[in-house]
Amino acid sequence: AQSVTQLDSQVPVFEEAPVELRCNYSSSVSVYLFWYVQYPNQGLQLLLKYLSGSTLVKGINGFEAEFNKSQTSFHLRKPSVHISDTAEYFCAVSRMDSSYKLIFGSGTRLLVRP
Amino acid sequence: GAGVSQSPSNKVTEKGKDVELRCDPISGHTALYWYRQSLGQGLEFLIYFQGNSAPDKSGLPSDRFSAERTGGSVSTLTIQRTQQEDSAVYLCASSFEGRTGAFFGQGTRLTVV
Repeated sequence: AQSVTQLDSQVPVFEEAPVELRCNYSSSVSVYLFWYVQYPNQGLQLLLKYLSGSTLVKGINGFEAEFNKSQTSFHLRKPSVHISDTAEYFCAVSRMDSSYKLIFGSGTRLLVRP
Repeated sequence: GAGVSQSPSNKVTEKGKDVELRCDPISGHTALYWYRQSLGQGLEFLIYFQGNSAPDKSGLPSDRFSAERTGGSVSTLTIQRTQQEDSAVYLCASSFEGRTGAFFGQGTRLTVV
């Protein structure tokens, strides 16, 4: 079975400061890794994904994430956040050999303050 | 359409009634997923369709829940004899090639009173 842990339920940060949202996963098989963002009263939007190759992946809105196989982590980073980045962020994994259904972490609420 | 469309956006129903939630996936997407989002349980997988068949129904919480997909397109999630614990946001997602990630609809907020 797969599981995803997002240790921080909420991360407050000041505007223009850097941020890191942590994600660790557990799986006995190889997985694909994803970050999704959810703005209030909206569905989920794909930020970025790691399928293979370079461990540093860049996504939309200036976000990037680094896959670390030895640490089983996929942390999300942004060098300078904006007020508009305030949202819920979900890390997810899917197995490479089946339905590709997503197993989500519990989410991290990013709160950007002026 | 350009994105995944779900209807209704909000549904209030009385306990014990049946409800149907609809999902129109992105045209050409063969994979379709239903998820449920609730405060206590987070985001939970319910069911996966490939074409019209459902090879993975492992997330359906009880036999009151069922889903079908017709024409490789529209899907309907049916909840019979609704209970208060069914209150949640039901999200539909579709994908052309699953490994590249799924596109989500805006969800249907179901409230059982």
